[in-house]
Amino acid sequence: SQQGEEDPQALSIQEGENATMNCSYKTSINNLQWYRQNSGRGLVHLILIRSNEREKHSGRLRVTLDTSKKSSSLLITASRAADTASYFCATDAFTETGNQFYFGTGTSLTVIP
Amino acid sequence: DGGITQSPKYLFRKEGQNVTLSCEQNLNHDAMYWYRQDPGQGLRLIYYSQIVNDFQKGDIAEGYSVSREKKESFPLTVTSAQKNPTAFYLCASASGNSYTEQFFGPGTRLTVL
Repeated sequence: SQQGEEDPQALSIQEGENATMNCSYKTSINNLQWYRQNSGRGLVHLILIRSNEREKHSGRLRVTLDTSKKSSSLLITASRAADTASYFCATDAFTETGNQFYFGTGTSLTVIP
Repeated sequence: DGGITQSPKYLFRKEGQNVTLSCEQNLNHDAMYWYRQDPGQGLRLIYYSQIVNDFQKGDIAEGYSVSREKKESFPLTVTSAQKNPTAFYLCASASGNSYTEQFFGPGTRLTVL
């Protein structure tokens, strides 16, 4: 399996603090994406970083990518209770039969008001 | 509204029965995907399709079947051969080009009684 792994599996912080979660993957990639999932719902795309990029920002989100270490991190600054969710990284790679996506195991974030 | 829909939201099945989960998108996306998610786990790819009338097996295709007769629709059948079908099933679509995100449906929770 090419599934990646997130670290930590669970994270609990106070509102206003920053949350950092990490993702490691196994193979060469085209892009790496981060998704958010509220309990019992579908995933929502947060941010995409290309394999030739090292850092990207979107609002309170900051993503870094280190292709030499096959790892990425997602930083959520000034967290809010509404940020409570599971966060997944996903890599994609071209195959003979099309573009496949590989999801990590997720980090469950709890932001305490 | 543009988007991807799944039905039903909850589905109960007796052992030995086949059931079909619906997935429809009006985003004009070429690629569609089916994932399975177990509690506290990441997403595992069941099947994907890049174009109409063509689909490929993912990591855990055994016990599942799909069809792609229309661009908008990608139904998943969970057959009686699937030994542990109770899970949350997510459908997604993507434009089929690189550097693109996946759009997810709200999911179907299947429970085998």
